[in-house]
Amino acid sequence: DAGVIQSPRHEVTEMGQEVTLRCKPISGHNSLFWYRQTMMRGLELLIYFNNNVPIDDSGMPEDRFSAKMPNASFSTLKIQPSEPRDSAVYFCASSLSRTSSTDTQYFGPGTRLTVL
Amino acid sequence: GENVEQHPSTLSVQEGDSAVIKCTYSDSASNYFPWYKQELGKRPQLIIDIRSNVGEKKDQRIAVTLNKTAKHFSLHITETQPEDSAVYFCAASSPELNDYKLSFGAGTTVTVRA
Repeated sequence: DAGVIQSPRHEVTEMGQEVTLRCKPISGHNSLFWYRQTMMRGLELLIYFNNNVPIDDSGMPEDRFSAKMPNASFSTLKIQPSEPRDSAVYFCASSLSRTSSTDTQYFGPGTRLTVL
Repeated sequence: GENVEQHPSTLSVQEGDSAVIKCTYSDSASNYFPWYKQELGKRPQLIIDIRSNVGEKKDQRIAVTLNKTAKHFSLHITETQPEDSAVYFCAASSPELNDYKLSFGAGTTVTVRA
């Protein structure tokens, strides 16, 4: 089985531009998570979806960030307008989450975003 | 919300020695505690996890212990090898409350000296 797929793997853009990061979760998983990783702040949860519904977006930094999950096999994280402080590695992860237990969260390879 | 603290932030050990990383959590409702290993430039990958109904779990050279009363859990790596060098993250969640998100510790950079 293919793991979590993210695209692009690297993105370099200029301040003010719109950036869209994409994620395809593992087939059959019902939870999807977007994380941001920086040296200063570590691994931060931005938002997570369960059955395509956003459950917790308290980690989304500000209105410049938005995330969607139109179906069970695709999610996007959009930054508009981008700023240099958004430079980070963005990970998508998915899991099969059930009330009685939580299965492993599998991480994608990440997107390294650089905003100049 | 859940707050997970992890210590130490860096750990250097001689090859063959043991490494221990400790985490504390704040939410007594948390009952799932995974550990992730992240090599340089790679994604975090689960190496072991423990649920609140057990106090210890072992997988070859890796073991995790959990003390729910004290709200802390630890990762033990025995007979360390150079390939154990990485950043290790602990995390906590409470899936039985329909809360599937993981709260991560800040990470421990482990260096195994040959």
